[in-house]
Amino acid sequence: EAGVAQSPRYKIIEKRQSVAFWCNPISGHATLYWYQQILGQGPKLLIQFQNNGVVDDSQLPKDRFSAERLKGVDSTLKIQPAKLEDSAVYLCASSPRPGQAYNEQFFGPGTRLTVL
Amino acid sequence: DAKTTQPTSMDCAEGRAANLPCNHSTISGNEYVYWYRQIHSQGPQYIIHGLKNNETNEMASLIITEDRKSSTLILPHATLRDTAVYYCIVRLGGSQGNLIFGKGTKLSVKP
Repeated sequence: EAGVAQSPRYKIIEKRQSVAFWCNPISGHATLYWYQQILGQGPKLLIQFQNNGVVDDSQLPKDRFSAERLKGVDSTLKIQPAKLEDSAVYLCASSPRPGQAYNEQFFGPGTRLTVL
Repeated sequence: DAKTTQPTSMDCAEGRAANLPCNHSTISGNEYVYWYRQIHSQGPQYIIHGLKNNETNEMASLIITEDRKSSTLILPHATLRDTAVYYCIVRLGGSQGNLIFGKGTKLSVKP
């Protein structure tokens, strides 16, 4: 089974520029997550989708970050304008339908963003 | 904030068992203990989870104390490929809730 795909793997931009990341979850997975991982820390959830609806975006800096999951499959995370402190790895994860005894999350390789 | 406490780093000799401790003294009755690991430059990977019984799979064993306030992840025969950051996480079972990661334990397996 193919895993979670993310692109690009690396991105370098200057502050105040905009950037977008793409995620393709595992086929059939209803739930999709975006995490931010700053160097030396564990991943922090930014937003969670259930199909194409937002379940939790309480940690998303909505003044500059936006995300969408059209048609309940692929997702895009955008930052506009970027700040220096946005330098991090952005991880996408997916998990199967809810209601199961447990829901393992499958992570993609991440996109490493450097803001200069 | 993460609800678990783990040592910052540990070393283990290749071929020996690696025992990674985790304290979760405020765990509630319906919360599971999950372990993930993150190898350098990769996304986190699920290892194992448990509620109150000890669990074993092809990757590891999970030992949970009777009072559920702490647990130990055991890698029975560590290899160099097991060098990674290991995260202990508590979360509600059966939910789509967040994984709240702490800083984890950096395990270094040495030849």
